[in-house]
Amino acid sequence: GAGVSQSPSNKVTEKGKDVELRCDPISGHTALYWYRQSLGQGLEFLIYFQGNSAPDKSGLPSDRFSAERTGGSVSTLTIQRTQQEDSAVYLCASSLMATDTQYFGPGTRLTVL
Amino acid sequence: GESVGLHLPTLSVQEGDNSIINCAYSNSASDYFIWYKQESGKGPQFIIDIRSNMDKRQGQRVTVLLNKTVKHLSLQIAATQPGDSAVYFCAENAGNNRKLIWGLGTSLAVNP
Repeated sequence: GAGVSQSPSNKVTEKGKDVELRCDPISGHTALYWYRQSLGQGLEFLIYFQGNSAPDKSGLPSDRFSAERTGGSVSTLTIQRTQQEDSAVYLCASSLMATDTQYFGPGTRLTVL
Repeated sequence: GESVGLHLPTLSVQEGDNSIINCAYSNSASDYFIWYKQESGKGPQFIIDIRSNMDKRQGQRVTVLLNKTVKHLSLQIAATQPGDSAVYFCAENAGNNRKLIWGLGTSLAVNP
């Protein structure tokens, strides 16, 4: 079946611009996660959605970052007024339930010039 | 704070040899552990998991061992192949904590 998909695969933007990253989770998965990964580094948790519960935003690095999940499916991560330090690969993952195995998308590589 | 860490940041092995990647954790409440493989340019892929009521679990060419006494997790890859070259992450989940705690990753290089 279809896995987690993310778009765009690559995004180059200028400092100060806003960007939107999209994640389509596996159908039926109630949990959705966003992570950030800098080159050669581990995964940095950003935000977590579980069903209709309030999202866990504890990993968002600043108020320039926000995310929403519409209809319990597609999620959008928005970064406002991008900075060069925002450059990284943004990974989305979904799981059937909160404590189940997470399945990752291919990521969106964001480059802020 | 509580975290998951890896003993070896890089590991180089000969093709055909067995590989062992280690991981230490400090949260005694963790009850679920996962190994992921991340190839260059791709997202992490699930390899194998183990729950705290088990000491060992085997998959295809991979075995995960859990030693709760010393809070240690390992991934063994039998007959390592060039396609096994990747970064391997361990992660833990402490029951009601919905977020996985990720280790920094170990880069495995397989020499032909």
